[in-house]
This record gives sequence, structure tokens and C-alpha cells, in this order.
Amino acid sequence: GENVEQHPSTLSVQEGDSAVIKCTYSDSASNYFPWYKQELGKRPQLIIDIRSNVGEKKDQRIAVTLNKTAKHFSLHITETQPEDSAVYFCAASGGSNYKLTFGKGTLLTVNP
Amino acid sequence: KAGVTQTPRYLIKTRGQQVTLSCSPISGHRSVSWYQQTPGQGLQFLFEYFSETQRNKGNFPGRFSGRQFSNSRSEMNVSTLELGDSALYLCASSLYRGGETQYFGPGTRLLVL
Repeated sequence: GENVEQHPSTLSVQEGDSAVIKCTYSDSASNYFPWYKQELGKRPQLIIDIRSNVGEKKDQRIAVTLNKTAKHFSLHITETQPEDSAVYFCAASGGSNYKLTFGKGTLLTVNP
Repeated sequence: KAGVTQTPRYLIKTRGQQVTLSCSPISGHRSVSWYQQTPGQGLQFLFEYFSETQRNKGNFPGRFSGRQFSNSRSEMNVSTLELGDSALYLCASSLYRGGETQYFGPGTRLLVL
């Protein structure tokens, strides 16, 4: 089955810096890659997603890149703010199995 | 539209008991997936239901089961509870299957004593 590895597990940055979280996946048939943000005590919320026919997608300060050859995708957050502090999860699904497989999460702390 | 709702929000049970959790998807959504979230293992897939049929199952023992009703509401059941079943149980709904955005409910926090 699909396996998603996510790095780093924790990331601490200063306000205004950029943050990058990286994920790799194992199933070459995967074609949908969402990112979720989960604040403490809250439900995971989708912040951005990308499909395999696109290499990059941007939404204001958030961008995601996908390298299908390397089976690698990344989340980029620019101009980080304290409210960006949360756990971020990457996930992958596709092929004959529509199951969404999640990475283990990255705890991002933005220090004011 | 109302979001995904889950009941109850909190539960305390003892080992050996069984529990039933409920999930009401966003109106019109037909797919419901269940996940177990623990600090050490992250979000682990339990199963997915679509059109009242289980379509996918994760690597959990048979004590974990579920079902989906004709209105797309779903329930999951855990029998013979173990201490290790303590976790946050999240359900997520999507319009269809595969490549669709999944919207999560607030979760049910289960504590097994």
C-alpha cells in the first residue's frame, strides 16, 4: 500500500521567515496530494491541494510543489506569522485505491 | 451548509466495553472515511464508506467495524475495548471518492480506562 514520509517532524522559525515541509510517497499511481493544518484541539482543515497534472500551486503565502518523477511534494509557507503555528499533515491518494494516506505530521512553531 | 458533525464529542469507557460513534457528513456528501489519531501514530485510516458499502479498510483488527446508512450518516463500532484504543476518532466526508477534498468533523475523544 501507499506509504507517506514527512519531514521534519518539528520546525521552529522566526516570524517573517519561510517554512518548508517535505513529503515523499511510494505509490506511483497516487494523483491527489492535499495538505491539512490542525491547530491544537481543532479538526484538520485543508489548506491547499495539488493534482498530478500540475507541478506547482499557489494561494497567497502558501505554495505546494510536486515532483512526480521523484515522488516528492513540498509545502512552502512564506512570511510566516504566529497564527501559522500548528501541525501540518501531507497526504496522498489515487490509483485503484482511493484511500487517503497521511504523513505523520510536522509541528510548526512560529516565534514572534 | 453545515459542516461534518460527530457525536458524542467525549467518551470514557472501561476495558472490555464496546462503543458506537456517529458521524453526519456534509449534506450531499456520499463518502465517509474514519481515522484514528494518536500522538505517536498520527492519522491512521480505519475505513471508508460510499453508498452504504465499505470500500476500503485500514490495518485495524476486526473489533473495529462500521456502517453507513442511506442518508450517508455513518457509525463506527469498537468492541472489547483495549487501553490502546484511547484516541481521537475523526470522520471526514467528501462528495465522491478519489481525489475529492475531505472535510473533517471535530472528532470524538475516547478514553479507555
